Amino acid sequence: EIVLTQSPGTLSLSPGERATLSCRASQSVISNFLAWYQQKPGQAPRLLMFGASNRATGIPDRFSGSGSGTDFTLTISRLEPEDFAVYYCQQYGDLFSFGQGTKLEIK
Amino acid sequence: QVQLVQSGATVKKPGSSVKVSCKASGGTFNRDTINWVRQAPGQGPEWMGRIITRLDSTTYAQKFLGRVAVTSDESTSTVFLELSSLRSEDTAVYYCAHEVRGVFDFWGQGTLVTISS
Repeated sequence: EIVLTQSPGTLSLSPGERATLSCRASQSVISNFLAWYQQKPGQAPRLLMFGASNRATGIPDRFSGSGSGTDFTLTISRLEPEDFAVYYCQQYGDLFSFGQGTKLEIK
Repeated sequence: QVQLVQSGATVKKPGSSVKVSCKASGGTFNRDTINWVRQAPGQGPEWMGRIITRLDSTTYAQKFLGRVAVTSDESTSTVFLELSSLRSEDTAVYYCAHEVRGVFDFWGQGTLVTISS
């Protein structure tokens, strides 16, 4: 099973700032099959990115993804109030596994 | 777009079984792949298994082999998750999620399963 480790555990930033979230895999992710999800309290996760760098339908362009192999990054260029949430990475190249999450909180 | 509506919250005793349902609409059920993911309090999501409805083919996470079963009923466009030999660590919110090419694009609202004596 591929283990995904996200860092930092908590990120404290202000609206308008840039957020950089990291996801590291225990082995190379096949074909960069890496997705990112956003989850708000009491809600199901929402798909943001797939294939490491492709935005899902309706996701604003302030969200971007990058990386390959074992190291991946989600960047939010200018934080909006609605972006403060928990973010999870998921690999789907070898069945499925999720990271433990990064909580993005308002500073 | 696909909508997934799950059954309501439930409380079960240790050692018993639970069956959660997930009714799909808005898609083509016999061409859907539906996954089950659970999330314990304060934890990340954990993939449990899936069913490819047109093949009636299932795949399960190693961790749950022997006590999980995912089934589907095409007549009602519903997918079921059954988990047996329940223990306290199975207390979690259980989600069904529609899969397209490996990613989970639509999710159910979640079902809280509480294991308590």
